[in-house]
Amino acid sequence: DADVTQTPRNRITKTGKRIMLECSQTKGHDRMYWYRQDPGLGLRLIYYSFDVKDINKGEISDGYSVSRQAQAKFSLSLESAIPNQTALYFCATSDPPSGPQHFGDGTRLSIL
Amino acid sequence: QQQVKQSPQSLIVQKGGISIINCAYENTAFDYFPWYQQFPGKGPALLIAIRPDVSEKKEGRFTISFNKSAKQFSLHIMDSQPGDSATYFCAASGGTGGFKTIFGAGTRLFVKA
Repeated sequence: DADVTQTPRNRITKTGKRIMLECSQTKGHDRMYWYRQDPGLGLRLIYYSFDVKDINKGEISDGYSVSRQAQAKFSLSLESAIPNQTALYFCATSDPPSGPQHFGDGTRLSIL
Repeated sequence: QQQVKQSPQSLIVQKGGISIINCAYENTAFDYFPWYQQFPGKGPALLIAIRPDVSEKKEGRFTISFNKSAKQFSLHIMDSQPGDSATYFCAASGGTGGFKTIFGAGTRLFVKA
């Protein structure tokens, strides 16, 4: 089984709908992240969490919210989806503050 | 101060050739410089990383060259193979923002057989 699992892998939805993307990990890491990937823009940080009680905004948090349900689970929500949120979304974990990140295989989200 | 600039945006190399991707950073507090490799349908995966106390790190066909004074680092792929065709991201983290990793925009590499 994958160390970082994202569900769903693909989602097509309509403008205005609420969407939740889920991430679970078996690596035992405290730090979890949500990124958005767009062509030519690399990976941009949406939210990050150091532990269950700690949630922080990244560089592009507007229009998104997160919930850290447990050490192993970190979900990303789009309260009212809009077409420019169409992108690839990745969840990641890390252990040392300055060290490698471990990514899931992503969710491809299309908003019509 | 937090940007990492990566070039080129795309790269085509013949099989057996050398692929070179460059990155530049601004924040001198960064202390960890990884390269990630991403295949279609997959998440980025750590390929190789370096810390600024060394100028070069080699793992198999992959080498990172690091120039601290110029604030630049590069990935060299020797004897490039079609299986190396992927998107490559450089990144930087450390210092006061150690918990955040700043990624370059990515380079799409295609190795022609």
